[in-house]
Amino acid sequence: DSGVTQTPKHLITATGQRVTLRCSPRSGDLSVYWYQQSLDQGLQFLIQYYNGEERAKGNILERFSAQQFPDLHSELNLSSLELGDSALYFCASSVPLGHQNTGELFFGEGSRLTVL
Amino acid sequence: GENVEQHPSTLSVQEGDSAVIKCTYSDSASNYFPWYKQELGKGPQLIIDIRSNVGEKKDQRIAVTLNKTAKHFSLHITETQPEDSAVYFCAAIPYSGNTPLVFGKGTRLSVIA
Repeated sequence: DSGVTQTPKHLITATGQRVTLRCSPRSGDLSVYWYQQSLDQGLQFLIQYYNGEERAKGNILERFSAQQFPDLHSELNLSSLELGDSALYFCASSVPLGHQNTGELFFGEGSRLTVL
Repeated sequence: GENVEQHPSTLSVQEGDSAVIKCTYSDSASNYFPWYKQELGKGPQLIIDIRSNVGEKKDQRIAVTLNKTAKHFSLHITETQPEDSAVYFCAAIPYSGNTPLVFGKGTRLSVIA
């Protein structure tokens, strides 16, 4: 158990809809990362937050947005969903409060999104 | 930005044989190279990492080598066991504290008993 919790584990929705994925990082971790895993595409970095602020942005579509709340949990919002958005979405956390960043990411078990 | 290429995409070995997965990276500033293992239905988990000031690192049956000149690094698994079957990802990062990892596309390793 990595200590990172993601909900929901599975989600089936229709094209054009909007969904929200939730992530609770390990206790005390300040950074949250969102990655998308599609078939044969590996892990694509979407966005990173550090202590409530956006730190880095990857290949995140304009239809997608995220935020990190004061309690450090994060949400990834996906709107105007298309068939191609079907994927596993992973959240990861790092940087314990008061510890030097070792570089290790701790991943949740993912949210599997299916768009029909 | 950084680009990481990983080969092969699939690998099948007999139990007890060795497995080697290779990665190349593009950014010469990268200095941290972790390997993650993803078991079915799970998120990726760090299994070993190496920093640029080290050429090789070993942890029991797994080892990683790094060639900074050629910009490639490899994962070696010896005496493979069925529980080694998983998807393995290499990654690279210009380590500056909070820069996100760039992952390869993964290698699906199957260990045949």
